[in-house]
Formats: sequence, structure tokens, C-alpha cells
Amino acid sequence: DIQMTQSPSTLSAFVGDRVTITCRASQSISNWLAWYQQKPGKAPKLLIYKASSLESGVPSRFSGSGSGTEFTLTISSLQPDDFATFYCQQYNTYPRTFGQGTKVDI
Amino acid sequence: EVHLVESGGGLVKPGGSLRLSCAASGFSFSSYSMSWVRQAPGEGLEWVSSITTSNSDIYYADSVKGRFTISRDNAKNSLYLQMNSLRPEDTAVYFCAASEVAPGSFDYWGQGTLVTVSS
Repeated sequence: DIQMTQSPSTLSAFVGDRVTITCRASQSISNWLAWYQQKPGKAPKLLIYKASSLESGVPSRFSGSGSGTEFTLTISSLQPDDFATFYCQQYNTYPRTFGQGTKVDI
Repeated sequence: EVHLVESGGGLVKPGGSLRLSCAASGFSFSSYSMSWVRQAPGEGLEWVSSITTSNSDIYYADSVKGRFTISRDNAKNSLYLQMNSLRPEDTAVYFCAASEVAPGSFDYWGQGTLVTVSS
């Protein structure tokens, strides 16, 4: 199975900060990587697919980059609505696997 | 507007069974691969199972293989998960999710249904 490791696990930030979350895969997944945002009690929401493609309707302050085994999610200017937990997920092979999550709080 | 609505969750004793349903609307259900993803209380996301558009390919996590069965009815725009031999560690919110392309990210998600396995 492909292991997905996110860092950091928790991130404290302020409104307006530039935030970067890293996701590492235990083997190459090309660019078959997605990022999701989840708020408490809610379903995850797709932000980024194919490592760097912005899902329709997602604000442009979110961006993704990387390929192979190293990926990043960047929020260029953190907004109050962005405080949540973020997950990366590989869909290169089965079983699909998620990172453990990164909680972004104040 | 896309809607995925799960139902069928509840409290069940260890060793018991439960059948989850996911009703889809607002998109071409038969053209999407469908999946179940679960989240134990306070934990992260865990993929459970996926089924392709025409039932041609089905995949399971090792943790549920042999106990859970995924199926779909394209005529009813519905996805199902039959869960047998339930264990306490199966306690989680179960989400259904839709993927437009293969391989695909989980583009749309339902709100989830809680399954609690406890005596």
C-alpha cells in the first residue's frame, strides 16, 4: 500500500498568512493526488485534483504543486473560512490512501 | 445541483449486519465511479470500497474484504454497502463519494451516516 504522510499535523496561523502543507507518498504516484478540506461535522470538499488543478468554485488562493512523491498545498492568504483540516489522497493505485490530516487553527 | 444522501446507519451489535444506501441526484450517476469512505470518531479518512460505472471492477480495503459488499443500481441512481460481521472498529461515519473520471479524485460527497457497533 502507498503511505501518505502529511506535515505538519497541526498548524497555527493568522488571517492573511501564507500557509504551506506538505504531503509525501511512499512511492511515486505521478500527479494522481487530491487535496480536500474538511470542517467539523461536515463532509470533505475537493479543492485540488491531479496535484495542481483547482476544482471549480474553489478560491484561487488555494494552489497545489508537485509530482512523483512530494506535493504541497498552499493557501496564499489565509481567510477566516479556511480554518479546517486538510487531507491529501492518492488515486494512483488501490487501495486509495489518505494522509493523516493537517489541522489549521488560530 | 449534486446531491448524495446516505441512509441506513445506526446502532448494531458486534457480529451484526447493516445495509447502507446512497441516493444520488443532480448528475449522471451511471457515468461516475462510486466509493465509500469512512471516518472513525476523531480520526482521519479511510477509503473502504469502490465500484466502477458498470460494476465491472470492484475494490475493497483489506480491513473490510470478505465482510462488506458494494453494489450499485444505475436505474435507481443508488449505491449500497452491505456490511456483515461488524466489529467495534467499524464504528465510523460512512460517506459515499463520486468520481467522474478513472482514476479520479472524490469529486462529490454525501453528508455521511453514522454506524455504531457496540454491545
